[in-house]
Amino acid sequence: DTEVTQTPKHLVMGMTNKKSLKCEQHMGHRAMYWYKQKAKKPPELMFVYSYEKLSINESVPSRFSPECPNSSLLNLHLHALQPEDSALYLCASSQDLMGYTETQYFGPGTRLLVL
Amino acid sequence: AQKVTQAQTEISVVEKEDVTLDCVYETRDTTYYLFWYKQPPSGELVFLIRRNSFDEQNEISGRYSWNFQKSTSSFNFTITASQVVDSAVYFCALSEARSGNTPLVFGKGTRLSVIA
Repeated sequence: DTEVTQTPKHLVMGMTNKKSLKCEQHMGHRAMYWYKQKAKKPPELMFVYSYEKLSINESVPSRFSPECPNSSLLNLHLHALQPEDSALYLCASSQDLMGYTETQYFGPGTRLLVL
Repeated sequence: AQKVTQAQTEISVVEKEDVTLDCVYETRDTTYYLFWYKQPPSGELVFLIRRNSFDEQNEISGRYSWNFQKSTSSFNFTITASQVVDSAVYFCALSEARSGNTPLVFGKGTRLSVIA
């Protein structure tokens, strides 16, 4: 089973709202990732967690706050977003970090619209 | 620095035609991994293949085949007898094994449209 699930599938929020994106995997993977993807662009890495600890933060603004409560769950807390943050947010997991050479398995994504 | 180039932005083919998606990469590392992902309109990136730099054997999986040539730094992807369900954006990606902080680098993607 190579399934990564994400909720919600769609989210519309105002600039003053607080919302959270959720990602879950049950493959026993120890590395989890958040990506942001704008239309007609490749995914851009935001955060990486390895063994539930933040390993990489690709200079993401503080209005995005990741959280890894356990090895199967990854959240992305959103607060005071801007319209330009509207995008597809993808979660991925891999067996381990291993210099990123492990295969990353992606979830279906959350399409976020910020009004 | 690592880089992946997918020169074909969009390709349209008629169903049952064969189509090849090009991928050229740059890396200074001797140990690296190459990937192909498919992204249908639904948005999910579907993993297709992972190949390490020491394995230059071509691979075939059903209608899909991959041609890895280190001499030209290319990792091309061919779909034989294309079908409408193959319509998607295809990403080639590269990761280097040397540095633990090296992210997975994606090409810009090739949008494939298969017309019935």
